[in-house]
Amino acid sequence: GIQVEQSPPDLILQEGANSTLRCNFSDSVNNLQWFHQNPWGQLINLFYIPSGTKQNGRLSATTVATERYSLLYISSSQTTDSGVYFCAVELGDYGQNFVFGPGTRLSVLP
Amino acid sequence: DAGVTQSPTHLIKTRGQQVTLRCSPKSGHDTVSWYQQALGQGPQFIFQYYEEEERQRGNFPDRFSGHQFPNYSSELNVNALLLGDSALYLCASSYLRGGYTFGSGTRLTVV
Repeated sequence: GIQVEQSPPDLILQEGANSTLRCNFSDSVNNLQWFHQNPWGQLINLFYIPSGTKQNGRLSATTVATERYSLLYISSSQTTDSGVYFCAVELGDYGQNFVFGPGTRLSVLP
Repeated sequence: DAGVTQSPTHLIKTRGQQVTLRCSPKSGHDTVSWYQQALGQGPQFIFQYYEEEERQRGNFPDRFSGHQFPNYSSELNVNALLLGDSALYLCASSYLRGGYTFGSGTRLTVV
């Protein structure tokens, strides 16, 4: 089956710093999403980005589908950005069957 | 407008017992999926329910079963609990293929 890898596994930043998280996937996909899991366990959709570039405030994401990778950029990080960031690829004909990567655990220090 | 609601939030069960977890989807959503997230790992897809039928299933044994009710709410049942079933169980809902919303999960501990 499809493999999803993320790097780095852990990242510690000082507030205000920028960071780049990477996701590699082993096969072509129809959908790729980035999620943020907060300390209470809830997964929040950040981007639906099967290809191209999107921006939402301090966050942006780029997926190069032909090279099978996606990047999540966080600029001017804040302590509230802490948590685990997952990329996930969607399988099947009906959607919502996500294969998640192992995640990047981000800690932003004040 | 309530999002996805899961209950209970935490529970502890003994090995060999059975457990039922519940999920109420976001208003307007008709599809429910369940995921298992072991500590320190990404969530793994268990199965998906649509129109009261299991439509997709991940690589989980038959001890994991589910149900969807006419009001689109769903239950996840796990029989013969093993220590390895200890995890955060997440429910996600959507309408068609858009607007996925995840609940905050049920943390199951098997002792």
